[in-house]
Amino acid sequence: DQQVKQNSPSLSVQEGRISILNCDYTNSMFDYFLWYKKYPAEGPTFLISISSIKDKNEDGRFTVFLNKSAKHLSLHIVPSQPGDSAVYFCAASATGTASKLTFGTGTRLQVTL
Amino acid sequence: GAVVSQHPSWVICKSGTSVKIECRSLDFQATTMFWYRQFPKQSLMLMATSNEGSKATYEQGVEKDKFLINHASLTLSTLTVTSAHPEDSSFYICSAREPGPKTYEQYFGPGTRLTVT
Repeated sequence: DQQVKQNSPSLSVQEGRISILNCDYTNSMFDYFLWYKKYPAEGPTFLISISSIKDKNEDGRFTVFLNKSAKHLSLHIVPSQPGDSAVYFCAASATGTASKLTFGTGTRLQVTL
Repeated sequence: GAVVSQHPSWVICKSGTSVKIECRSLDFQATTMFWYRQFPKQSLMLMATSNEGSKATYEQGVEKDKFLINHASLTLSTLTVTSAHPEDSSFYICSAREPGPKTYEQYFGPGTRLTVT
């Protein structure tokens, strides 16, 4: 049972434009969400997170939006840069689960020149 | 930011042998570490939660006798794949959580590619 889903396995965006990566979840107990970036044969790198008490969190070029009623979150990257090309995973955690993360299936972002 | 290392970065072993993978937090003390495995083009699947000084907590479906986890100090956790078989070939990644208010953020090691022949 995939509790965190990223329905787009891949996304191609032109340099300078906005990249929007989407993530849906089914477990209403999740109250903290994170985005990680991963290159092949490397561990994920933390990008940005959001608590369920917020609907938006911004850090430089990265903004995460949370829509609790729709159980949906998205990561916006503006402007997109070639170095952003990687696989992006969203992850979710619930209070009382010892900070265990449930990961989505990932979206491969390709930023083209 | 917090740094987590893993050793080895890749290993090839023969079927039936055991392999140990180390995970270290280099600049912080990690009371909790996590072990994941990732199959090609798939998500990271949590295998177990490792707590310093106590037994690991395994996820459903993960054989605790096959994947031995030891968290002997605040900076080191080890995963031993015992009697490895080709189906154990995978990318194994550890992560560590810093103590403190930001308890959800995990810092990941670079991963270990295990190939069992």
